[in-house]
Amino acid sequence: DVKVTQSSRYLVKRTGEKVFLECVQDMDHENMFWYRQDPGLGLRLIYFSYDVKMKEKGDIPEGYSVSREKKERFSLILESASTNQTSMYLCASSQDRGLNQPQHFGDGTRLSIL
Amino acid sequence: AQRVTQPEKLLSVFKGAPVELKCNYSYSGSPELFWYVQYSRQRLQLLLRHISRESIKGFTADLNKGETSFHLKKPFAQEEDSAMYYCALEYGNKLVFGAGTILRVKS
Repeated sequence: DVKVTQSSRYLVKRTGEKVFLECVQDMDHENMFWYRQDPGLGLRLIYFSYDVKMKEKGDIPEGYSVSREKKERFSLILESASTNQTSMYLCASSQDRGLNQPQHFGDGTRLSIL
Repeated sequence: AQRVTQPEKLLSVFKGAPVELKCNYSYSGSPELFWYVQYSRQRLQLLLRHISRESIKGFTADLNKGETSFHLKKPFAQEEDSAMYYCALEYGNKLVFGAGTILRVKS
């Protein structure tokens, strides 16, 4: 069974801090994703990566960056946290074998920026 | 641009009643569609995908290209179906999600 693990379930940080959210998957998936989940807005893609050191912007990349130094790990970085980045963050991974590959999600990190 | 619309934020039904969660999409290509579900205190997980034409937990979804819809249906709702449901459209290796519908099944 695919396991996607996010390092923290809950995180509280202050405005202006640099924040790191970590995600690890154990199924050798090529693709990894970071979303934020907000009521009434669903899931919105922040960034995704289709290979080590490769990344592409999603729909809402502003204020975020990512790092993928190893295939199993995908980090989301908030360069200077702001209160409007308070949200639930979900990491996901999928195989790169054509269309219709399901994404497997982690438990999420609920991030509060004070 | 690709878009997924789930018009209902909340759908409340009685146990044993039929359920239909609506999903409409906008996409110029050939759509690949999914339903994901998130039960209380659990992670988001795949429920079904249109290409499989499968029934999972009694749910089915049919792609209607003419109406650009992929509604999720179940003939008899159960209390354990209460959850948040997201419809998603695949493009490239990415997904675009709808806003989600909370299904509440009352006893």
